Amino acid sequence: TQLLEQSPQFLSIQEGENLTVYCNSSSVFSSLQWYRQEPGEGPVLLVTVVTGGEVKKLKRLTFQFGDARKDSSLHITAAQTGDTGLYLCAGAVDSGTYKYIFGTGTRLKVLA
Amino acid sequence: GAGVSQTPSNKVTEKGKYVELRCDPISGHTALYWYRQSLGQGPEFLIYFQGTGAADDSGLPNDRFFAVRPEGSVSTLKIQRTERGDSAVYLCASSRTGGRDEQFFGPGTRLTVL
Repeated sequence: TQLLEQSPQFLSIQEGENLTVYCNSSSVFSSLQWYRQEPGEGPVLLVTVVTGGEVKKLKRLTFQFGDARKDSSLHITAAQTGDTGLYLCAGAVDSGTYKYIFGTGTRLKVLA
Repeated sequence: GAGVSQTPSNKVTEKGKYVELRCDPISGHTALYWYRQSLGQGPEFLIYFQGTGAADDSGLPNDRFFAVRPEGSVSTLKIQRTERGDSAVYLCASSRTGGRDEQFFGPGTRLTVL
């Protein structure tokens, strides 16, 4: 069974701080996605990484896919209160697939 | 255009009852997915429709769960003889054609089985 573990589970930081969230697996994924989910809403896609070692930036968010395509990280620079939410990673079972295995999530709270 | 909508937003039922959860996908999206998100967990895949047919129902936990999409648009997830363990948020998503297209999620239906 393919599993994605995320760490930390919970993170509470002050506005302006930097943070990194990790997504790890013993399985190889053909691609990996990061989502943010707010209370009462569905997940919203932030980014998809496909190539081992790939780095993508989305404003203050930097996403990296591990060289072996088994892990990924999300780094947020100068966190803002609007970054508060549940961050989920999801790995594609195989290329071209619609089926994603979701991690358990990291709940981030950014305090003003 | 409008996003994915789900009704009801909340459903409370008693153990043993039958429930139906509805999903209205984004207009023109041929692919539709159902997920279940238990408290403190990420979404778990249940079923994938391509048009009117269930292309993959491997995530349905047992035969109490089934879903339909008779006209290739609106979908209904049906749960018979509900159990307390069925309590979760049921999310629906749609994508333009399936495959690796971005999936757009609805807000979910929170099901509570007493």
